[in-house]
Amino acid sequence: DQQVKQNSPSLSVQEGRISILNCDYTNSMFDYFLWYKKYPAEGPTFLISISSIKDKNEDGRFTVFLNKSAKHLSLHIVPSQPGDSAVYFCAASARGIDSWGKFQFGAGTQVVVTP
Amino acid sequence: NAGVTQTPKFRVLKTGQSMTLLCAQDMNHEYMYWYRQDPGMGLRLIHYSVGEGTTAKGEVPDGYNVSRLKKQNFLLGLESAAPSQTSVYFCASSWIWDRGKQPQHFGDGTRLSIL
Repeated sequence: DQQVKQNSPSLSVQEGRISILNCDYTNSMFDYFLWYKKYPAEGPTFLISISSIKDKNEDGRFTVFLNKSAKHLSLHIVPSQPGDSAVYFCAASARGIDSWGKFQFGAGTQVVVTP
Repeated sequence: NAGVTQTPKFRVLKTGQSMTLLCAQDMNHEYMYWYRQDPGMGLRLIHYSVGEGTTAKGEVPDGYNVSRLKKQNFLLGLESAAPSQTSVYFCASSWIWDRGKQPQHFGDGTRLSIL
């Protein structure tokens, strides 16, 4: 039972435009969320995170929005660049000592930025 | 600056064979993890460790064993390989700070095929 869902397996966007990646979750105990970026033949690398006490976190071209009532978060990339072409994973961690250090990952969204 | 190093990068096994995947990190991280990535499934946690000498089961532990005899190393063993264990395996590590809500650092993966 996947508790973190990325329902769009792929996204194509023109260079310079905005990329919006979506992630839905079902576990109301999740209180910390991260986005990772993954290039082929490499491991995922951390991109940006957000705590459930916030509804927005920004880092340069990347902004993550959290809507707790809808159990939904999104990653905005503005402007999109060719180097942003990668697979993006959403991950979530629940509160509670049993969940320390453990994250549930979504299936990923492949982003292709076209010239 | 090596980070997380996985050995080997590729391996082909026959059904029933055994093997060990090695993960080494040089960041003095307390937490270490083994994940598998399958198409459409995202990253699923196999086993993890919260410190030297400790291991715990993750989401999909069956058919795997792990050991963490030294803080910097985390070994994943396949006792009797099965075709269902064909996957890409990722090792990761992280700090223990802030209730474990720290980004994980990933290795570049081991692509394992079981014939």
